[in-house]
Amino acid sequence: DAKTTQPPSMDCAEGRAANLPCNHSTISGNEYVYWYRQIHSQGPQYIIHGLKNNETNEMASLIITEDRKSSTLILPHATLRDTAVYYCIALYNNNDMRFGAGTRLTVKP
Amino acid sequence: GAVVSQHPSWVICKSGTSVKIECRSLDFQATTMFWYRQFPKQSLMLMATSNEGSKATYEQGVEKDKFLINHASLTLSTLTVTSAHPEDSSFYICSASPLASSYEQYFGPGTRLTVT
Repeated sequence: DAKTTQPPSMDCAEGRAANLPCNHSTISGNEYVYWYRQIHSQGPQYIIHGLKNNETNEMASLIITEDRKSSTLILPHATLRDTAVYYCIALYNNNDMRFGAGTRLTVKP
Repeated sequence: GAVVSQHPSWVICKSGTSVKIECRSLDFQATTMFWYRQFPKQSLMLMATSNEGSKATYEQGVEKDKFLINHASLTLSTLTVTSAHPEDSSFYICSASPLASSYEQYFGPGTRLTVT
């Protein structure tokens, strides 16, 4: 599975959009980009995943660049409850999922 | 959505004893479940892949005789920490992938183990 790189931390104002970047320059053509988040002392929560098209669900939007070497998770209107560690993972066919350090997002009032 | 439960949610045990942690997929079947360990302020580390009806696959550096994994049914996997020591104190998390959808993986709420 391809390695991903994320900034260690980000801040966002409550009510504003949170844009979390992820680099996956070695991603292969059949690897999906997954995003999970982990709120303190809880299990990771699935957010969204995509292959090459942009995706949107009730939680977030995922923008994948045309060359698939990077992506951005967008939380359109961040709330205090969105404070968590966000993990970007490149994965083929839901094999064993390996987590990097993730981005610690802090939503501030 | 699919739900994965873990039991217990937290446990305190004495050094030298064994502790069993259960991971259940409540509303779906899963041939594969995964076990992770997470130390404070660190990311999740994959320990092993649990396959229903066969032996688990352990990651390098994880002692299979110490962390016994049993996946007896399509909805239950257990992790037993044998002869626990204080350094085994950690947050243990399982995940499972529904048979019907190989592209989604659901995580349990985690079990916090404290060995005194």
